[in-house]
Amino acid sequence: EAGVAQSPRYKIIEKRQSVAFWCNPISGHATLYWYQQILGQGPKLLIQFQNNGVVDDSQLPKDRFSAERLKGVDSTLKIQPAKLEDSAVYLCASSPGGRGKTQYFGPGTRLLVL
Amino acid sequence: KNEVEQSPQNLTAQEGEFITINCSYSVGISALHWLQQHPGGGIVSLFMLSSGKKKHGRLIATINIQEKHSSLHITASHPRDSAVYICAAGGGADGLTFGKGTHLIIQP
Repeated sequence: EAGVAQSPRYKIIEKRQSVAFWCNPISGHATLYWYQQILGQGPKLLIQFQNNGVVDDSQLPKDRFSAERLKGVDSTLKIQPAKLEDSAVYLCASSPGGRGKTQYFGPGTRLLVL
Repeated sequence: KNEVEQSPQNLTAQEGEFITINCSYSVGISALHWLQQHPGGGIVSLFMLSSGKKKHGRLIATINIQEKHSSLHITASHPRDSAVYICAAGGGADGLTFGKGTHLIIQP
C-alpha cells in the first residue's frame, strides 16, 4: 500500500515570496491533516479536512496561509507571503476517518525562509 | 484544550539499556499515539493505544487511562533507535495534541 506522498521534500525561499506544498494521501482516506513542526517543537495542527470540507482550521494563520482539497483527494498548502518564522517542516497526514483512527504521516516538506 | 507533557526531553543511553519515555495528558482522550521521527526524515507511527499495552518487536507501549499517562519502552536498545519520539493525544473528531518530543541517543 502506498503511503502519504508529499512534494517537494525541500524548499528554500526568500521572505515575502510564495510557496506551495502538495500532499497525496493514502487512497480512500477521508481525513487529511496539515501540520507545522518548528525545530525543537512538536507538530502543530494547521488544518484538518474531512473529504473536501474543512473540519478545523483554528490554528491556520489565514492572513498568509491557505489550503484546499478541492476533489477530496490531493491537497495543497500555500504560504503567501512567507516570513522567516515560517521555516519549519510541513507534515501531511491522512486517516480513514472516525474517532481515534491512526494517522499516517508523509515524509514532510522542509521549508527554509531566508 | 489538552496539554501533553513528555519526559525526559533528552535521553542519552548506552546500547543494550532499557529505555522508558513518559507521556502525560490533561484531558480524556479516545486514543494515544507514539510516533518516531528520525533526523531529516518524516514521522512514523509506532503505536496507537486506547487501553492496556501493545508490543512490537523491542518496543512496548502502555497506557493508564485513569491516570492519563502512557509510557514507551525500548528493550535492548540499539544505536538505530536514536530518534525523536513524540507522544500525541487524540481528542474528539480525530484532533491530536502533540508533546514536544523526547530526543533519544543510543551510544554504541
